[in-house]
Amino acid sequence: KQEVTQIPAALSVPEGENLVLNCSFTDSAIYNLQWFRQDPGKGLTSLLLIQSSQREQTSGRLNASLDKSSGRSTLYIAASQPGDSATYLCAVGTDSWGKLQFGAGTQVVVTP
Amino acid sequence: NAGVTQTPKFRVLKTGQSMTLLCAQDMNHEYMYWYRQDPGMGLRLIHYSVGEGTTAKGEVPDGYNVSRLKKQNFLLGLESAAPSQTSVYFCASSWIGNEQFFGPGTRLTVL
Repeated sequence: KQEVTQIPAALSVPEGENLVLNCSFTDSAIYNLQWFRQDPGKGLTSLLLIQSSQREQTSGRLNASLDKSSGRSTLYIAASQPGDSATYLCAVGTDSWGKLQFGAGTQVVVTP
Repeated sequence: NAGVTQTPKFRVLKTGQSMTLLCAQDMNHEYMYWYRQDPGMGLRLIHYSVGEGTTAKGEVPDGYNVSRLKKQNFLLGLESAAPSQTSVYFCASSWIGNEQFFGPGTRLTVL
């Protein structure tokens, strides 16, 4: 069974620093990988989707990389802002039906 | 576009009661999913559907039933609620297994 791990569970950085969030998975045979943001008491907002054939995906200040051979994905958020404070979830797509295996998330606090 | 909506937002049940959670999407997505989110456990897939009239079991299907009679709706039923089903329930939809879009969630407490 695919296991997805996100370390650390929590992270605090000063405003302006770059954020680096890690996601590791045990089975390299993935269909895709998706990064989400979740604000307290809210639903999940999709940030980036990386297909298994891609090495990275970018959207504005966000960049996500994928290395299937080592079972890792990294989400970079450039020049962090207090509005980036949220929990970030990594989810591995295990098949073409879209079934996702989630990590437990990294809670990020960006201090002004 | 409302995206993915869920009804109700909150619900309190007594053990043994039944209820149905409704998920609706207006993006014409083929695939729909029900997840539950528990502290320290992450999100886990309950059931999913790859088209109108189809349903399949996910990782934690016991105690739940689903129906997809219309493409835009996906219903999750609890026939006899148990305290272990206290959780936040999320519905999601996608176009043929790609990027998933989530609803705002239903917070369910079973006493």
